[in-house]
Amino acid sequence: AQTVTQSQPEMSVQEAETVTLSCTYDTSENNYYLFWYKQPPSRQMILVIRQEAYKQQNATENRFSVNFQKAAKSFSLKISDSQLGDTAMYFCAFMKRSSEKLVFGKGTKLTVNP
Amino acid sequence: AAGVIQSPRHLIKEKRETATLKCYPIPRHDTVYWYQQGPGQDPQFLISFYEKMQSDKGSIPDRFSAQQFSDYHSELNMSSLELGDSALYFCASSSPLGTEAFFGQGTRLTVV
Repeated sequence: AQTVTQSQPEMSVQEAETVTLSCTYDTSENNYYLFWYKQPPSRQMILVIRQEAYKQQNATENRFSVNFQKAAKSFSLKISDSQLGDTAMYFCAFMKRSSEKLVFGKGTKLTVNP
Repeated sequence: AAGVIQSPRHLIKEKRETATLKCYPIPRHDTVYWYQQGPGQDPQFLISFYEKMQSDKGSIPDRFSAQQFSDYHSELNMSSLELGDSALYFCASSSPLGTEAFFGQGTRLTVV
């Protein structure tokens, strides 16, 4: 079974600064996808960024980028120029290519301070 | 752009009652997923459907059942409700050959 571990239950950052959220996973699969989802106080689950395991290039979406280390099974999220609206719970998630279900980590609660 | 629609948004039921949650996927999406998120917890996969057939099953209690209809909407039926069933229930959908799941806003079920 796949497991996803987020070792930082809570983090805080000052507005306009950079913060990195950690995620590690355990799998014997070779083909899979990794995701970061954001869940603001509204509880909506919003996809932030995704990474295909077969791609070596790290995914980037505007201020959000990942550091994907396949051998280390690590998938961290970097948020640059943090904004107050980035305050949310962030979930790292894994999906193997042959399946459709997401396996989530326990989440990291990020607070951006003015 | 159209999103995943879930109804109702909020639901209060008493123990041992039944509840039906509905999910309308994004147009042309053929796969639907159901997740349960307890208070302070991460979402847990319950069940998924592809082209109206059950495609995967997770930690869904036997008291729960679900199906996907010909118009691709899905319903999650929950019977003999227990206090522990109080949670946020998400539906998500994805397109043919897609790997990205788009989530609805969730149905908050409270069992009293």
